Amino acid sequence: ETGVTQSPTHLIKTRGQQVTLRCSSQSGHNTVSWYQQALGQGPQFIFQYYREEENGRGNFPPRFSGLQFPNYSSELNVNALELDDSALYLCASSWGRDNEQFFGPGTRLTVL
Amino acid sequence: LAKTTQPISMDSYEGQEVNITCSHNNIATNDYITWYQQFPSQGPRFIIQGYKTKVTNEVASLFIPADRKSSTLSLPRVSLSDTAVYYCLVGVNAGNNRKLIWGLGTSLAVNP
Repeated sequence: ETGVTQSPTHLIKTRGQQVTLRCSSQSGHNTVSWYQQALGQGPQFIFQYYREEENGRGNFPPRFSGLQFPNYSSELNVNALELDDSALYLCASSWGRDNEQFFGPGTRLTVL
Repeated sequence: LAKTTQPISMDSYEGQEVNITCSHNNIATNDYITWYQQFPSQGPRFIIQGYKTKVTNEVASLFIPADRKSSTLSLPRVSLSDTAVYYCLVGVNAGNNRKLIWGLGTSLAVNP
C-alpha cells in the first residue's frame, strides 16, 4: 500500500509567480485535504475535496485553488504569490471526509 | 469566530499519565473530534477520534463531555518518544461551508 506522496519536496518562487503543488492520495482514499503550516504554527485548513468536488474551504483567498482528479490525486494552485505564502503545504488523504487523515511529507514553499 | 484552544506547552516525566484538554465551542453537531501528533519535519499522525463519551485505543483515550465543547486526550505512561506537538481537530459549519479547525498545538516535553 502506497502512502501519500507530494511533489515537489522544496520549491523557491518569487513574489507574483504562480505555483502548482501535487499530491497523490493513499490507495483507496477518495478525499484529499490541503493545509498550510507556517513555522511553529498549527496547520491551517485550505480546502478539502471529496470525489472531485470541493467539500469545504478555509479562510484563504480565491488565488488558492485546487483540483481533484478521477484517480483522487490532487493539485493545489496558488496565483500571485506573496511573501506570506512561504510555508509547509501539507496534503492529507482519507476515506471519507470525517475519517483518519494520512499526511504526506509536505512541500516547503519559499517565496522571495 | 470558530477556533479551538489548547495549552501551548506541557511538561511530564516518563511513566506518567498526560492529559491535554482542547476547547471547541463551535463544533458542528455531527462532526468528530480528532487528535493528531506531529514530530518536527513530519506531517501530523492520527492518534484517536471520537464523537462523544469515551474512546480508547492502543495508544490513548479520548474523553468527551456531553456538551462536546471540549475534549481531553489522555496518554497513559508517556515515554521520551512521546515528546511532540499534539493537535485537536474539529469540523465547524459556517453557513453552507464546512471548515476543519486545528488548535495551535500543545508542545509536550517528556523528561527522563
